[in-house]
Amino acid sequence: QQQVKQSPQSLIVQKGGISIINCAYENTAFDYFPWYQQFPGKGPALLIAIRPDVSEKKEGRFTISFNKSAKQFSLHIMDSQPGDSATYFCAASTTGGFKTIFGAGTRLFVKA
Amino acid sequence: GAVVSQHPSRVICKSGTSVKIECRSLDFQATTMFWYRQFPKQSLMLMATSNEGSKATYEQGVEKDKFLINHASLTLSTLTVTSAHPEDSSFYICSATGNTEAFFGQGTRLTVV
Repeated sequence: QQQVKQSPQSLIVQKGGISIINCAYENTAFDYFPWYQQFPGKGPALLIAIRPDVSEKKEGRFTISFNKSAKQFSLHIMDSQPGDSATYFCAASTTGGFKTIFGAGTRLFVKA
Repeated sequence: GAVVSQHPSRVICKSGTSVKIECRSLDFQATTMFWYRQFPKQSLMLMATSNEGSKATYEQGVEKDKFLINHASLTLSTLTVTSAHPEDSSFYICSATGNTEAFFGQGTRLTVV
């Protein structure tokens, strides 16, 4: 099922810094790329998502950059806060059915 | 946003018994639901696709006779872990698809003792 590769596995960022997580996919049929935030013991929560017809999407402190030709996309968290400390998963699916394939996850820790 | 409810949130069962987990879409109809399993500090691995009124489609390596899935209505899918063993202990998460995205439940922590 490893059709979505995510890096880094873990990330430590100072408060106020920028957190960057990268993902790459293989299946060109994917046309929906969400990012999920997960806290321990909870289900994943949708953070932000992008479709391949745009190269960037910004919502508050969260930005997705998308490179269709390279089949890569990344999440940038600006002004990172301790409350952002969580595990982040990139994912990919098709809008035809939303069968979602997840990346391996990145454990982010924001130091106060 | 749309709400997907899972029940129970936690369950402890004895080895050899069966456990049923429910996934409900509360404010929309979901023709398709998905079941995932997540081991500690790992990603969500898709187990099966549950289609209303038809047999579930299982991912490679997932035992269909062990993980029984029933999708009897447009708002309810159930996963039954049969003859559970300690290695089945995991976090099970469902998702239900709306028109624009997939919505995830809060997960069920299964512990088999």
